Amino acid sequence: ETGVTQSPTHLIKTRGQQVTLRCSSQSGHNTVSWYQQALGQGPQFIFQYYREEENGRGNFPPRFSGLQFPNYSSELNVNALELDDSALYLCASSLGPRETGIEKLFFGSGTQLSVL
Amino acid sequence: AQTVTQSQPEMSVQEAETVTLSCTYDTSESDYYLFWYKQPPSRQMILVIRQEAYKQQNATENRFSVNFQKAAKSFSLKISDSQLGDAAMYFCAYGTPNTGNQFYFGTGTSLTVIP
Repeated sequence: ETGVTQSPTHLIKTRGQQVTLRCSSQSGHNTVSWYQQALGQGPQFIFQYYREEENGRGNFPPRFSGLQFPNYSSELNVNALELDDSALYLCASSLGPRETGIEKLFFGSGTQLSVL
Repeated sequence: AQTVTQSQPEMSVQEAETVTLSCTYDTSESDYYLFWYKQPPSRQMILVIRQEAYKQQNATENRFSVNFQKAAKSFSLKISDSQLGDAAMYFCAYGTPNTGNQFYFGTGTSLTVIP
């Protein structure tokens, strides 16, 4: 059974650029959630994808967008990067809430994004 | 609005001793779940323990146990026989079926284990 993997592990961008982060979910999981963890803070929910559709979104602007693919892997895209977007981006996979109610999240090790 | 508060930014414990990390939450939901996650320097969040709100019995996982006080909206984590490998950031989290798997996290407690 493979765990959640994220790539890249580190990334440096400049303000105004666009970035794509990638996540492979744990085997058997059909739901992927993305979280932003700023320095010294707890993770904040960005959005969730369930069976290729967005299934909930946190308080993040539209320049944060995502995709989920048929194999349940996912991408997080951020356009027009701002300095405040510098953070650790965590991906978490789980079984879908419609199947199990609420389920444990299994996290990857994150992508550390620095915006200069 | 759901909020999770961890009032202890840092805690320390002697190896083999017991330490308790505090967490309070605010919600109007009756059906919810509470979690403690551990985040070591590797950055990966690891589930420590999970509690369903409808269960009165406190969850336990080996050396980890919780004190769940539903009326007080309190959910503390007790680590017994602390080990050096327990050193990490610990996050309390809340989730409810009404919001799928959108979890709300506290700001974390940094635990140091002193040899």
